[in-house]
Amino acid sequence: QVQLVQSGAEVKKPGASVKVSCKASGYTFTSYDINWVRQATGQGLEWMGWMNPNSGNTGYAQKFQGRVTMTRNTSISTAYMELSSLRSEDTAVYYCARAGGALFDYWGQGTLVTVSS
Amino acid sequence: SYVLTQPPSVSVAPGQTARITCGGNNIGSKSVHWYQQKPGQAPVLVVYDDSDRPSGIPERFSGSNSGNTATLTISRVEAGDEADYYCQVWDSSSDHPDVVFGGGTKLTVL
Repeated sequence: QVQLVQSGAEVKKPGASVKVSCKASGYTFTSYDINWVRQATGQGLEWMGWMNPNSGNTGYAQKFQGRVTMTRNTSISTAYMELSSLRSEDTAVYYCARAGGALFDYWGQGTLVTVSS
Repeated sequence: SYVLTQPPSVSVAPGQTARITCGGNNIGSKSVHWYQQKPGQAPVLVVYDDSDRPSGIPERFSGSNSGNTATLTISRVEAGDEADYYCQVWDSSSDHPDVVFGGGTKLTVL
């Protein structure tokens, strides 16, 4: 069965960077884009961008341009999302999601990133 | 950028029908997807491409999309349907294509 398993919770100081991983199993990793979506506590879903694991091509939401980098390691079927220059407003649960076209059919369990001094 | 508008909350009694709307400019020309999110859990796709259901999703969940409004309909609502629901589209109308989510609707089962 398709599974996306994310790395554990992180606590970072303002100005630091965080890198979250998303390990895929149960399907061919390079056949589906991986997207990242975040959700602050009590808030809605916010799309961050996509990555094509086959080509490495990426597309980022304008809000995160210059601060987010999405990469992958195809040998271990793992996608990564790195967010830099963290501020308190980046405190949220970060999800990876498999994209079947423009919809998200499988999601990771989420990774809580807390930014606090 | 494209905006999707959902009511913050909808309440319905068990066994009744819940309708959750998602408004957007000419949304009928786009494919709309719906997600259910229960507290502490990741979202789950419940309707895609306006009205299709993934395998494992009950037939009680259905969708429609026309004009400026898409609607998720949940028939014979059960207590287990209480959750937040989000609509989502892919907006390619600008020079910077984006995934757009609605603000979410909290469904309360009375």
